[in-house]
Amino acid sequence: DGGITQSPKYLFRKEGQNVTLSCEQNLNHDAMYWYRQDPGQGLRLIYYSQIVNDFQKGDIAEGYSVSREKKESFPLTVTSAQKNPTAFYLCASSASRGGGNQPQHFGDGTRLSIL
Amino acid sequence: AQSVTQPDIHITVSEGASLELRCNYSYGATPYLFWYVQSPGQGLQLLLKYFSGDTLVQGIKGFEAEFKRSQSSFNLRKPSVHWSDAAEYFCAVGNDYKLSFGAGTTVTVRA
Repeated sequence: DGGITQSPKYLFRKEGQNVTLSCEQNLNHDAMYWYRQDPGQGLRLIYYSQIVNDFQKGDIAEGYSVSREKKESFPLTVTSAQKNPTAFYLCASSASRGGGNQPQHFGDGTRLSIL
Repeated sequence: AQSVTQPDIHITVSEGASLELRCNYSYGATPYLFWYVQSPGQGLQLLLKYFSGDTLVQGIKGFEAEFKRSQSSFNLRKPSVHWSDAAEYFCAVGNDYKLSFGAGTTVTVRA
C-alpha cells in the first residue's frame, strides 16, 4: 500500500542535541511538508518542498532544517536552537506543486519530547 | 493572509444524534476548503474537499459539508453519529502554496 512513513514514533531529545525525524513516501508525490502540532493550535507549517533539491520556509522555520535530496524523502532536523521542541510532528505530501489547492496525505506523526 | 476559525473547541454528542461542526475562513479569492479528521496519536485523514461547483460536497464516513460564500463558512455535518466518530476535526483553507488549519474541534460521543 502506498503511504507516508514517519519514524521514529517517539523521540527524546537532550539539551543541546540535534535530532532528525524521518519521512518517507512511496506515493510518487512531488511536494512534501512538515507541520508542528501543539494542543489547541492546529497545525503550523515548518517547511515545504515542491520539488527535489528545493525547499521553502513555512510559518515557523526557526530552529529547524530540512533537506530534499530524493523525491521519496524529506527529513526534518530539530536543532538545539529550537528552544521549545516538544510537540507532535506531522509529515505530509501532495501529488504536485501547489500545497493548498489539492489534498495532502499525512503520516502518523512523531512525538518529540525533551529529556 | 488566509485564516480559519473553528469556534467550538469541544462538542459532545449522543450516538445516533446529528453533528454539525462550524468553520469560518478568511481569504480574498475563491478558497480551496478541506475537512480532515484525526484520531489520537495518528495523522490526519481527508474527509472531503471543496474546490468549485456544487456547494454541498459529500465525503467519506457519511460526512458532508456546505460552502456558503456569503457567510465565509464551510460547516461539516453528519446526520447520525457513531461512536467511532469520536476524534478531532480540522478545517483548512488553501491557496496555491499552502494550507492553513483551524485549531480543531474535539468530538466526544456518548452512548
